[in-house]
Amino acid sequence: DTAVSQTPKYLVTQMGNDKSIKCEQNLGHDTMYWYKQDSKKFLKIMFSYNNKELIINETVPNRFSPKSPDKAHLNLHINSLELGDSAVYFCASSHKGGSGANVLTFGAGSRLTVL
Amino acid sequence: QKEVEQNSGPLSVPEGAIASLNCTYSDRGSQSFFWYRQYSGKSPELIMSIYSNGDKEDGRFTAQLNKASQYVSLLIRDSQPSDSATYLCAPSRRGSTLGRLYFGRGTQLTVWP
Repeated sequence: DTAVSQTPKYLVTQMGNDKSIKCEQNLGHDTMYWYKQDSKKFLKIMFSYNNKELIINETVPNRFSPKSPDKAHLNLHINSLELGDSAVYFCASSHKGGSGANVLTFGAGSRLTVL
Repeated sequence: QKEVEQNSGPLSVPEGAIASLNCTYSDRGSQSFFWYRQYSGKSPELIMSIYSNGDKEDGRFTAQLNKASQYVSLLIRDSQPSDSATYLCAPSRRGSTLGRLYFGRGTQLTVWP
């Protein structure tokens, strides 16, 4: 199936731990994103990569570090997890150019719970 | 952070009615406007896009845009229980910020049979 897939779907961990979420898309898109959706359902962009190059970096703590080994993969590593990091993290992808750039295909989400 | 305001929900309509979802935005540089639908526990999916002032119809959905008023809306005609979801408004600029969507907090719609 063509899709944006992210793993794990659920992640429960203790404060202070380090964790990673992986994302892969087989849609042939140029650009990938990480969005965070908090408990109030507010969906906010964190990062965007185009062909492995960082193009959007919103105000996100340095504890969050995205890595894109190739244009089909965008991983998110989080250091020293805090309670406020609990949220659903969505990976998404799109074409870069034209109107297609804003047509995002989202992954199923990774629900992170920090205890 | 660009401001995107959506009418507070939840919005509840009976099956067959017209559901009206409203959105205002603060960034006058916004040129493209998108409506995403998010079912509970699922990821958002694009249902409508509009780029020019006026109306755009797609099946039971009609998007309306008024850039002068910084207002965009989504009308759902003949609402069905399957339309029950949260609807997210997302304006976007062109250029280097392509793909940077500022989502509103969404309006939760419930269509009861």
